[in-house]
Amino acid sequence: KQEVTQIPAALSVPEGENLVLNCSFTDSAIYNLQWFRQDPGKGLTSLLLIQSSQREQTSGRLNASLDKSSGRSTLYIAASQPGDSATYLCAVNPRKTSGSRLTFGEGTQLTVNP
Amino acid sequence: ETGVTQTPRHLVMGMTNKKSLKCEQHLGHNAMYWYKQSAKKPLELMFVYNFKEQTENNSVPSRFSPECPNSSHLFLHLHTLQPEDSALYLCASTPSRGETQYFGPGTRLLVL
Repeated sequence: KQEVTQIPAALSVPEGENLVLNCSFTDSAIYNLQWFRQDPGKGLTSLLLIQSSQREQTSGRLNASLDKSSGRSTLYIAASQPGDSATYLCAVNPRKTSGSRLTFGEGTQLTVNP
Repeated sequence: ETGVTQTPRHLVMGMTNKKSLKCEQHLGHNAMYWYKQSAKKPLELMFVYNFKEQTENNSVPSRFSPECPNSSHLFLHLHTLQPEDSALYLCASTPSRGETQYFGPGTRLLVL
């Protein structure tokens, strides 16, 4: 059974700092991996999706890397801002077949202080 | 706006009530999902529908009954729930293949 772990569970940083969020998964047979953002009491917003054949994806100040063989992914946030404060979730998708079946980690709760 | 809407946004119900959650997507997607998010636990996949057919039931108790009348609408019918069923229920959709999931804002459910 696939298990996804995110470290740290919570992180508080001053504005402007660069930071790294970690995600590990136990079964390397994945089709893709997604990073999501969730604001309190809200739904999830997809940030980046990395296919299993890719090593990284970038969007603005965000960069996600994937090392499938070691079961790890990182989300790098550059020049953090208070608006980045949210919970960041990592999820892996095991297959390409119709409909995806994501397994989520528990998330990292990020607070960026002004 | 993600194009996935959920109603109601908040719901309080007693254990003997019957209620329904509604999800609607305007993205032309063919797969829709129900997830449960409890405090301090990872999101749990409940049901998957693809082209209106249920393709996954993740050992969900029968007091939760999904319905997918068409590719744009998904319901979750609730009856005789327990207090531990209180959670945020999230709906999501994707194109038919395993691609980016688009989530609705969720329904916050409290069972008394």
